[in-house]
Amino acid sequence: DAGVIQSPRHEVTEMGQEVTLRCKPISGHNSLFWYRQTMMRGLELLIYFNNNVPIDDSGMPEDRFSAKMPNASFSTLKIQPSEPRDSAVYFCASRKILGNEQYFGPGTRLTVT
Amino acid sequence: AQKITQTQPGMFVQEKEAVTLDCTYDTSDQSYGLFWYKQPSSGEMIFLIYQGSYDEQNATEGRYSLNFQKARKSANLVISASQLGDSAMYFCAMREGYNQGGKLIFGQGTELSVKP
Repeated sequence: DAGVIQSPRHEVTEMGQEVTLRCKPISGHNSLFWYRQTMMRGLELLIYFNNNVPIDDSGMPEDRFSAKMPNASFSTLKIQPSEPRDSAVYFCASRKILGNEQYFGPGTRLTVT
Repeated sequence: AQKITQTQPGMFVQEKEAVTLDCTYDTSDQSYGLFWYKQPSSGEMIFLIYQGSYDEQNATEGRYSLNFQKARKSANLVISASQLGDSAMYFCAMREGYNQGGKLIFGQGTELSVKP
């Protein structure tokens, strides 16, 4: 079975540009999570969805960040406008809604110059 | 307050020896889950092992075992017979609530280096 798929794997953009990160969860998984990893703050949850519904977005840093899950097999994380401090690795993870393990995608390394 | 504490920023172990990576946690919930993930230099996050707060037996997965001491709020990872491929960052994480939510809170990680 395919794991969690994320695209792009690397993104370099200029400050002020819009960035869209994409995630396809594992088929049959009902929960989807977006995490961000930086040296300063470590791994932190940004938002998560159960059955395509956002449950907890308290980790979204500010209004420049938005996430959607239009269907069970696709989610996006958008940053508009991007800033250099948004540079990080963004992970998507998925889980069966009554399961324990969260399976992570390979991550998107975002660099904002 | 730090919810997950990993006090060892870096650890060294000789190949074929066992190593323990420390993790303590803080929660007032009775139901919670504890996880360990491995992050090699390639960057992916690999799930290793899970322990539920009500599980009476310590979790084991191959060479990985979780030394769960509930009263001390510790969930140490034990890797037996270390291999060179075990060199990586290791993260302890907690999910508060049992099958509720799902948000994981991560520690800062321990970098393990296995020496030949």
